[in-house]
Amino acid sequence: NAGVTQTPKFQVLKTGQSMTLQCAQDMNHNSMYWYRQDPGMGLRLIYYSASEGTTDKGEVPNGYNVSRLNKREFSLRLESAAPSQTSVYFCASSDLVNTEAFFGQGTRLTVV
Amino acid sequence: ILNVEQSPQSLHVQEGDSTNFTCSFPSSNFYALHWYRWETAKSPEALFVMTLNGDEKKKGRISATLNTKEGYSYLYIKGSQPEDSATYLCAFSSGAGSYQLTFGKGTKLSVIP
Repeated sequence: NAGVTQTPKFQVLKTGQSMTLQCAQDMNHNSMYWYRQDPGMGLRLIYYSASEGTTDKGEVPNGYNVSRLNKREFSLRLESAAPSQTSVYFCASSDLVNTEAFFGQGTRLTVV
Repeated sequence: ILNVEQSPQSLHVQEGDSTNFTCSFPSSNFYALHWYRWETAKSPEALFVMTLNGDEKKKGRISATLNTKEGYSYLYIKGSQPEDSATYLCAFSSGAGSYQLTFGKGTKLSVIP
């Protein structure tokens, strides 16, 4: 009964360091999403993958890259972290865009 | 960038009161409207997904309506309880070819015992 699993839950990076946030879902969903959540801004879409093998930019893609490794996994990479990327990151998946999305538990990232 | 507006930003109600809030979205190229409930320190959980104009959905004391022609959806909570305290998010998708789910900033509800 795992649903959507994100790792790590917490991370502190120094400016300029790189890291990859991992996300995996076990519901055989086609679509996967990465959002960031900042105070007063709601959830903003960084990248999404409509299906295995495809990825597209969302509202705030700058400074990020993604990989849809297979149908289960969708990773988010920060190549050179900046303080502006301090945020809570959520991965989500859905079967179709008109069916409900399931969210991971979030990753709280601080860039100092 | 699609504009999804929610109002009010926050509200406080007494236990037992009924309340409602609004989600506004572009009325052109509508595909789906989602409502989520987001408790502090947890992840958002889906309440409803609506796709047809005039849709009404209900789950216990919570219900939602949809007007795609004018671009709004209402979420109603009847007889609010302290456990209803959460942020309620709506999310919009436009067009069958789009997989973007754009969220509003949410309405934060606090139910006072």
